[in-house]
Amino acid sequence: SQQGEEDPQALSIQEGENATMNCSYKTSINNLQWYRQNSGRGLVHLILIRSNEREKHSGRLRVTLDTSKKSSSLLITASRAADTASYFCATASGGTYKYIFGTGTRLKVLA
Amino acid sequence: NAGVTQTPKFRVLKTGQSMTLLCAQDMNHEYMYWYRQDPGMGLRLIHYSVGEGTTAKGEVPDGYNVSRLKKQNFLLGLESAAPSQTSVYFCASSPRTGLTFFGPGTRLTVL
Repeated sequence: SQQGEEDPQALSIQEGENATMNCSYKTSINNLQWYRQNSGRGLVHLILIRSNEREKHSGRLRVTLDTSKKSSSLLITASRAADTASYFCATASGGTYKYIFGTGTRLKVLA
Repeated sequence: NAGVTQTPKFRVLKTGQSMTLLCAQDMNHEYMYWYRQDPGMGLRLIHYSVGEGTTAKGEVPDGYNVSRLKKQNFLLGLESAAPSQTSVYFCASSPRTGLTFFGPGTRLTVL
């Protein structure tokens, strides 16, 4: 069963707009990672946020974590056509580093 | 550094044949993982390893075996391939508390 569930499943926006995608999970976690996957390619890690952190930034990316709601969000600001990809969250729980992935959000940025 | 490499990149098997996928990492990471990704889906964890000589089952381990004889290598074996094992297989590695790095994937078709 999937630990993480991304929402929405698909998102289409105009270049320059912000894109927000959410991840909900079921059990307590050690940390949560966000990944990007371009069509037909491998996964690229974006950000890791630990359970004792609430927010992290990396360039145009902002990740928040709310452990009370068991949810995380990924915000991409000033989106570009090159941001078109699928985005996945992955969580590790129970004192392990066995990462379980969600089903992903497919983002399309229109030029 | 080459990062995480996988061989082969593509393979076509007939039902019942066996094969081994090789994953190698040169980052001295403790943890290694094998995932499969089916069309439009997230990644599902097959097996993982938390150190040389150790392996553990993930979400979907049936029909696969793994070995981690050397820290830098993680092998995934299919003893008797089935069409349901047609998928893209990703290997990944991570340090104990850091980001997970993925290989480029192996596209396997079982006829």
